[in-house]
Amino acid sequence: AQKITQTQPGMFVQEKEAVTLDCTYDTSDQSYGLFWYKQPSSGEMIFLIYQGSYDEQNATEGRYSLNFQKARKSANLVISASQLGDSAMYFCAMRGSVGSNFGNEKLTFGTGTRLTIIP
Amino acid sequence: NAGVTQTPKFRILKIGQSMTLQCAQDMNHNYMYWYRQDPGMGLKLIYYSVGAGITDKGEVPNGYNVSRSTTEDFPLRLELAAPSQTSVYFCASSSTGSPLGYSNQPQHFGDGTRLSIL
Repeated sequence: AQKITQTQPGMFVQEKEAVTLDCTYDTSDQSYGLFWYKQPSSGEMIFLIYQGSYDEQNATEGRYSLNFQKARKSANLVISASQLGDSAMYFCAMRGSVGSNFGNEKLTFGTGTRLTIIP
Repeated sequence: NAGVTQTPKFRILKIGQSMTLQCAQDMNHNYMYWYRQDPGMGLKLIYYSVGAGITDKGEVPNGYNVSRSTTEDFPLRLELAAPSQTSVYFCASSSTGSPLGYSNQPQHFGDGTRLSIL
């Protein structure tokens, strides 16, 4: 079974500062993918960034980067130069290897971190 | 750019009523999913489908049914609505990605259906 743990229910960060959102995971799969989604107050789920377990480099997408530490089973999201529009819920999620077990295609979500950017 | 379309956006049901939440995607994705999100929580998988005619249960399937007669549509049926089913429901889809290993294809989500059972 897969499990995602996000230990920070809420965070407050000053505008323009960098912020790190924690995510640890547990899985017995050798290959897997880690995703971060943003959910603003309007409710939609927005895909931010992806990291594969065999990717040698940490993923980056604009102001988002993923600090992937495989041995520690952590996949923290780093947002640089935070903006007021970054205020939202952030979810870490994992997908297992597909192979012949299509059930692993599903995402397992953490409980989320509510990020509030202070002007 | 329609992506994943969910209808309705809001609905109030009385206990014991039934309804169908509609979900359609125009990206030709094989995989489709239904999640529910309770207040302050993450998403929990209700049902998923890997292609037309193939569905399977997720974490919390009780009280729901699905069908997948076409690639595009994946409706979620609530029979005998109960207050515990008050939630926000999200439909999502993704492409197959690599069949031999992990998939880097993100799931694309609809805007959600906010359902209240009174």
